[in-house]
Amino acid sequence: DAKTTQPPSMDCAEGRAANLPCNHSTISGNEYVYWYRQIHSQGPQYIIHGLKNNETNEMASLIITEDRKSSTLILPHATLRDTAVYYCIVRVYGGGRRALTFGSGTRLQVQP
Amino acid sequence: NAGVTQTPKFRILKIGQSMTLQCTQDMNHNYMYWYRQDPGMGLKLIYYSVGAGITDKGEVPNGYNVSRSTTEDFPLRLELAAPSQTSVYFCASRLDSPLHFGNGTRLTVT
Repeated sequence: DAKTTQPPSMDCAEGRAANLPCNHSTISGNEYVYWYRQIHSQGPQYIIHGLKNNETNEMASLIITEDRKSSTLILPHATLRDTAVYYCIVRVYGGGRRALTFGSGTRLQVQP
Repeated sequence: NAGVTQTPKFRILKIGQSMTLQCTQDMNHNYMYWYRQDPGMGLKLIYYSVGAGITDKGEVPNGYNVSRSTTEDFPLRLELAAPSQTSVYFCASRLDSPLHFGNGTRLTVT
């Protein structure tokens, strides 16, 4: 799996958009970008994934640059419940038998 | 679907005791995983399974055992509990993608 780099922490005001960056300059052509988050004491939660096109679902949007070397997860209207650690992971779809490897992630603090 | 269910939610063990952490999923997922997460740290893979009857070691398997007799269940066994096994344990499963996690078992060994 390609290595990813994320800022260790970010703050965001409630109601504003939270933009979480991720660098993955060594990504391969068949690797997807996945985002998970972990709210305090809970199991990680899948958010979204994409290959090269921008993706949107009910939780978030994922913007992948044209060269695919970086991406941004956007929470359009952050709430206090979005305070969590966000993990960006790059891997082949499914990944075979190998497990996901979670790095340190970005700790997002949504401020009231 | 209930998803991935872990029991118990909390447990306190004395050093040397044994216990089994239960994990069951109702999504007919082939792949199942056990992770542990120490306070303020990331997740570390203990064991995983690619299907009934097949298990393999992860990054930190020492002190643990697993079995996978059915698709649904993937119990994690601690034989001789040690303080170093104090952690939160997460079970997860998937078919292709993404990974679905349970809500964890918080274990304290004293």
